[in-house]
Amino acid sequence: DQQVKQNSPSLSVQEGRISILNCDYTNSMFDYFLWYKKYPAEGPTFLISISSIKDKNEDGRFTVFLNKSAKHLSLHIVPSQPGDSAVYFCAASDDDYKLSFGAGTTVTVRA
Amino acid sequence: GAGVSQSPRYKVAKRGQDVALRCDPISGHVSLFWYQQALGQGPEFLTYFQNEAQLDKSGLPSDRFFAERPEGSVSTLKIQRTQQEDSAVYLCASSPRLAGATGELFFGEGSRLTVL
Repeated sequence: DQQVKQNSPSLSVQEGRISILNCDYTNSMFDYFLWYKKYPAEGPTFLISISSIKDKNEDGRFTVFLNKSAKHLSLHIVPSQPGDSAVYFCAASDDDYKLSFGAGTTVTVRA
Repeated sequence: GAGVSQSPRYKVAKRGQDVALRCDPISGHVSLFWYQQALGQGPEFLTYFQNEAQLDKSGLPSDRFFAERPEGSVSTLKIQRTQQEDSAVYLCASSPRLAGATGELFFGEGSRLTVL
């Protein structure tokens, strides 16, 4: 059963505009959420995370929002740059070591 | 380099063959994880080591899958009698923390296994 869902397999955005990636989860015990970025032929790299005690975390151009009541989180990238073109995975944990990943969203930033 | 290293990067096996995938974590990282990523899917947890102890192997799909980390550093994932459904990218990750999910995991580039 897929506990973390990314319902948009792809997203295309103009350079300089905002990219919004969405993620839904079903397990109410998840208390830590992460976003990973993956380029082709490379392993995923950590991007940003958020604890369930917060509803927002910001790091430069990247902001993650958490809505616990809706079991929904989103990643905002502002402004989008060509180097942001990659696959983005949402992940969640309830036990401090095991991550449940979504299927990923492929972002393409158009020049 | 200083990152997580996995070998081989690509492996083609005939159905029924045994395969072994190796992971060299970042030096000093106590936690090591194996994940399986099928085509078009996100990584799925297989197993977790804290130093040489395998603390969780609940994600291993069957008893054909076996992982070890005998000296608390290099780890090997072994798949016996490979089946076509074993075709996937196998990702290794390490962390300097005792657990790791609430901090950054450092992933290797993965070993892509194709079973014919």
